[in-house]
Amino acid sequence: ETGVTQTPRHLVMGMTNKKSLKCEQHLGHNAMYWYKQSAKKPLELMFVYNFKEQTENNSVPSRFSPECPNSSHLFLHLHTLQPEDSALYLCASSQRGGRVTGANVLTFGAGSRLTVL
Amino acid sequence: AQRVTQPEKLLSVFKGAPVELKCNYSYSGSPELFWYVQYSRQRLQLLLRHISRESIKGFTADLNKGETSFHLKKPFAQEEDSAMYYCALGCMNRDDKIIFGKGTRLHILP
Repeated sequence: ETGVTQTPRHLVMGMTNKKSLKCEQHLGHNAMYWYKQSAKKPLELMFVYNFKEQTENNSVPSRFSPECPNSSHLFLHLHTLQPEDSALYLCASSQRGGRVTGANVLTFGAGSRLTVL
Repeated sequence: AQRVTQPEKLLSVFKGAPVELKCNYSYSGSPELFWYVQYSRQRLQLLLRHISRESIKGFTADLNKGETSFHLKKPFAQEEDSAMYYCALGCMNRDDKIIFGKGTRLHILP
């Protein structure tokens, strides 16, 4: 499979559940991102990993916990979520590296639609 | 603070008419600007970026640092241009952020 793959595509969970979202990229990129897309807000950057090191945590509540075991995989662990966390969670990857052609261009996955009951 | 502003939530344009989607940004560093597009039932994807200085699907965008703008333009709208358009700002100097505006839905009328 090529590109950025996210699983599961749909997830329904209760507020006390623990679940994880998975993202995998087959593009050889060195940076991966989690964005949240909800109906009434713009795309919100949550986390950035560059060469497996977290370089950005955009004031995200601790009930969201990212994990990046290698440059191809990114997880978002979910615990004790709230109904307002229901949204589409988008993973993206890019080749970090200045202004050469293709650098810093995000390739997005299809997203994981999360519903918190 | 870094910010991207797209003032129009919805823009309706007749087929064949010119299109301009507005984008203004706020960033103290050297900006990298992008336009992303999301067609119905498709993934968010890159349309164009300012450093490429190219025309994609008839769209162009010029970075105006004086006005801190990166408006997207097309001289003659086509029905297949109907989509959601997002302006994005790359803040790569320090912290790898790529932040997005709220998006503008472009609706091409027949």
